[in-house]
Amino acid sequence: GAGVSQSPSNKVTEKGKDVELRCDPISGHTALYWYRQSLGQGLEFLIYFQGNSAPDKSGLPSDRFSAERTGGSVSTLTIQRTQQEDSAVYLCASSFSRNNEQFFGPGTRLTVL
Amino acid sequence: TQLLEQSPQFLSIQEGENLTVYCNSSSVFSSLQWYRQEPGEGPVLLVTVVTGGEVKKLKRLTFQFGDARKDSSLHITAAQPGDTGLYLCAGHNQAGTALIFGKGTTLSVSS
Repeated sequence: GAGVSQSPSNKVTEKGKDVELRCDPISGHTALYWYRQSLGQGLEFLIYFQGNSAPDKSGLPSDRFSAERTGGSVSTLTIQRTQQEDSAVYLCASSFSRNNEQFFGPGTRLTVL
Repeated sequence: TQLLEQSPQFLSIQEGENLTVYCNSSSVFSSLQWYRQEPGEGPVLLVTVVTGGEVKKLKRLTFQFGDARKDSSLHITAAQPGDTGLYLCAGHNQAGTALIFGKGTTLSVSS
């Protein structure tokens, strides 16, 4: 079956612009996660969605970052007024439920010039 | 704060050699996971260890979970070029809402 898909695969933007990153989780998976992977920092948790519950936003680094999940499926991560330090690979993962195996997408590589 | 420390950060070896990667924490984890990531792809789960002292084998890979559930190791026997990649250990945060990852070990196996 189809895995987690993310788009775009690469995004180059100018400092100060807003960007939207999209994640399509595996069908039937109720849990969805966003992580950021950057050199020197490794993989860092950003946000977690579980069904219709309020998301765990504790990993978002600033109020420029936000995410939503519509209809319990597709999710969009938005970064406003991008900064050079936002350059990283943004990974999405989904799982059947909390604490189950997470399946990762290929990521979106964001470069902020 | 739950942290996972991995060592070594980089490993470059010849085909046929053995190696061990370590994952350590001062916190107790209910389980630890090992992932492998290749360039341009997301991490893929290799194994989950749950019981203190547990040893799991996956072909030439042996995974161990410490008795106190604070550390784990990955041992590869007779490494092959196909083993090249980034190896990550991870454990769930206390809320169970996210994985905490070590910074990874980049392994390069040359023939």
